[in-house]
Amino acid sequence: AQSVTQLGSHVSVSEGALVLLRCNYSSSVPPYLFWYVQYPNQGLQLLLKYTSAATLVKGINGFEAEFKKSETSFHLTKPSAHMSDAAEYFCAVRNQAGTALIFGKGTTLSVSS
Amino acid sequence: NAGVTQTPKFQVLKTGQSMTLQCAQDMNHEYMSWYRQDPGMGLRLIHYSVGAGITDQGEVPNGYNVSRSTTEDFPLRLLSAAPSQTSVYFCASSWGDFGETQYFGPGTRLLVL
Repeated sequence: AQSVTQLGSHVSVSEGALVLLRCNYSSSVPPYLFWYVQYPNQGLQLLLKYTSAATLVKGINGFEAEFKKSETSFHLTKPSAHMSDAAEYFCAVRNQAGTALIFGKGTTLSVSS
Repeated sequence: NAGVTQTPKFQVLKTGQSMTLQCAQDMNHEYMSWYRQDPGMGLRLIHYSVGAGITDQGEVPNGYNVSRSTTEDFPLRLLSAAPSQTSVYFCASSWGDFGETQYFGPGTRLLVL
């Protein structure tokens, strides 16, 4: 069965620093992987997705993620954090049948000035 | 386009009461789904629909009922509310299955006393 594990429930960075949010997946088939962001008191919004094309995926707001099959990872990065990046980030994988999206437990990103 | 809308934004219920959470989308999406979000748990799928008249269970369906009579609407019914159903509920829709981008509503915060 598919699953995702997000390492670190809370990550704190300074403004301008590198953002690295970690996600490892488990899948018996080529995965469909996603990163969603949730700003306070809002619904989730897609940041980027991997669907077996290019392994380096670029998303909105300067975020990108690299699919590494050998490491079963799909970590999210941004070269320079901005205060507006403070939010909760969720990694997700589609199940094999396409009948569900399985979410990780989320990582809260705090950005300090 | 309004996207995905949810009503109410916030609701307080007493144990045993019933209520319906409303969800509507104006993007002509075939897939619609309901999730609940609990602290430290990520999002978990309750029910989903692949089109009008077709629904199926997700990971945590007990205590919830759904129906889909139109493409636009996908209400979630709590038959007899329990404190364990205190949560934030999100509705989402997409063009195709869960490999497609999910568009989320703003959420309904439910408190069951």
